[in-house]
Order: sequence, then C-alpha cells, then structure tokens
Amino acid sequence: EVQLVESGGGLVQPGRSLKLSCVASGFTFSNYGMNWIRQAPGKGLEWVAYISSGSSYIYYAETVKGRFTISRDNAKNTLYLQMTSLRSEDTALYYCARAKVSQSLDYWGQGVMVTVSS
Amino acid sequence: DIQMTQSPSSISVSLGDRFTITCRASQDIGNYLSWYQQKPEKSPKLMIYRATNLEDGVPSRFSGSRSGSDYSLTINSLESEDTGIYFCLQHKQYPWTFGGGTKLELK
Repeated sequence: EVQLVESGGGLVQPGRSLKLSCVASGFTFSNYGMNWIRQAPGKGLEWVAYISSGSSYIYYAETVKGRFTISRDNAKNTLYLQMTSLRSEDTALYYCARAKVSQSLDYWGQGVMVTVSS
Repeated sequence: DIQMTQSPSSISVSLGDRFTITCRASQDIGNYLSWYQQKPEKSPKLMIYRATNLEDGVPSRFSGSRSGSDYSLTINSLESEDTGIYFCLQHKQYPWTFGGGTKLELK
C-alpha cells in the first residue's frame, strides 16, 4: 500500500525557518517525481514545488522561489521542503504528492499544518 | 503562467442528476489536465488523468472530456458520496496551476 506521511509542521514566527519531511512507503520512491502542494485554510490548492526522481529537475512556484528548497533522499525514501523567511501567507496545510508517469498526482499524504504567526 | 478558470464555483445538484464542471485553460495544455475530488478534512483524490482517463477504482459514472481549451468533468447519475470540492490541475507547464475549485452539494 502506498503511503506518504508528512511531518515537521507547527507554529513558527515570521522570518523563521521550518523543514518538512515526507516519508514514502509501499512503492519504489526513487522511480517517481514528487511534489509539495499547499492549501491555505478554507482556500484552494496551490502547487509549491517539484523534484524529479533523481533530483535533476527542480521547479518552484514564484511565491516560494528563493525561500523554499525541495530535496529528497532516495536512500531514506524521504522528501523534504526547507522553508526559510516564512511569511504569514505561507500558512497552509502542506501535502506531499507523488507524480505518476502522466504527471498527475496519484497519491497524496494526509498533510502537515504550518502556521506562521507572531 | 497558465491560468485555469473553473466553473461553476459551487452548485447544488439532486441525486441521479448529471453534472458537468469545466476548466478553461489560458494556453494550450495538450490534455495535460487532471481532476481531483476533495472531501472535508481529507486529502485530494485523483479522479481523471490526461483529461479523459479514469483513475483505477473511480466509478465509471465519472468521465472527462475536452473541447478546445475547455476541459470538463462529468458525473452521470450523481450519488451522495460524490459531494465535495473538485479541482482541475494543469501539468503541461511549470508552474502547475489549479482551478479555483467547484463545491458540489446535494440539493
């Protein structure tokens, strides 16, 4: 069974940093591109970042470019999102999601909440 | 960036009705579009990929289609379990962009 489990969220002050993790199981992690998607409270979905299976290709949304870094450790089956210079508008539920061959998102984690507030 | 304009934003539908949601792409996305269903307090679930392909396990009353730059999700014979919020996603070009969502409720 495919599982994606996020962790590392919490309450953080503006300007500070936080690192999210997503541990994958039930599939060969190193064969799949992975994404971070976020959803602000009561709002729609926003794609945040993508990393290819071997980390050769990385893309970011403009809203996080230069502040967030996506990475992965295939030996540990883990996806990361390093978030720096956090702003109140980064407050959201952050999901990791697997990209299938068609690049649609076929499995999602349960999400981890990040709240940026003083 | 490619804009995805989704309509309607919300709708109430009766059990057994047929219902269609549409996303209009601001640029050609060549069928690189998928549809997701989200239930309250749950993660989104993939329903349709590459515009017209039904994801494994999704009931056959769901279908996807394309007409020009308009991509549609149709639910035939609505069932109570189909309520929720539906989103489209274009994954032709980075940054990927979602539609604004359609909240489907029972009348």
